[in-house]
Amino acid sequence: QQQVKQSPQSLIVQKGGISIINCAYENTAFDYFPWYQQFPGKGPALLIAIRPDVSEKKEGRFTISFNKSAKQFSLHIMDSQPGDSATYFCAASGGSNYKLTFGKGTLLTVNP
Amino acid sequence: KAGVTQTPRYLIKTRGQQVTLSCSPISGHRSVSWYQQTPGQGLQFLFEYFSETQRNKGNFPGRFSGRQFSNSRSEMNVSTLELGDSALYLCASSFTSGYYNEQFFGPGTRLTVL
Repeated sequence: QQQVKQSPQSLIVQKGGISIINCAYENTAFDYFPWYQQFPGKGPALLIAIRPDVSEKKEGRFTISFNKSAKQFSLHIMDSQPGDSATYFCAASGGSNYKLTFGKGTLLTVNP
Repeated sequence: KAGVTQTPRYLIKTRGQQVTLSCSPISGHRSVSWYQQTPGQGLQFLFEYFSETQRNKGNFPGRFSGRQFSNSRSEMNVSTLELGDSALYLCASSFTSGYYNEQFFGPGTRLTVL
């Protein structure tokens, strides 16, 4: 059972455009939602994270939007740059279990 | 401060063999988690160790095991390797256990089972 569903699988955006990646979760016990960025040959690196007591969190060009009632959250990358080309994973954890449950990932390509 | 290191980076084994992977967390970090990454299943949680005790375990068969030493370094072992065990095995460390603590991932060990 996939507890975190991520879409799209792949995304191509022009430089300067907005990249949007969406995730939906099922487990209402989840209360920590991080996004990870992974470059080829590297491990995932934490990009930004949100807890459900806020509906939006912004760090530089990266914004998480969170909709608790819909059990959905999304990552927006403003002014996308070729250096943002990577695989992005949403994740969730909470309840009595500290493990991170990851989405399947989105391969983002930003064309120059 | 040095990041999470994993050894070896690449490994080729044949079916039926066993393998041991090593992870050295960031200095001062006491929690180590292991994940399996495959194209089909994505990132899946294997287990977490904190202060030499397994705190959480994912849905993997008993062939997958791990341990943590007093210096927080961790090893995972896979016995009786199957073709489907081919994957990138990632180790992540955090200062303490708990899901609000940022996990720092290592570069992974690429295991190929022939």
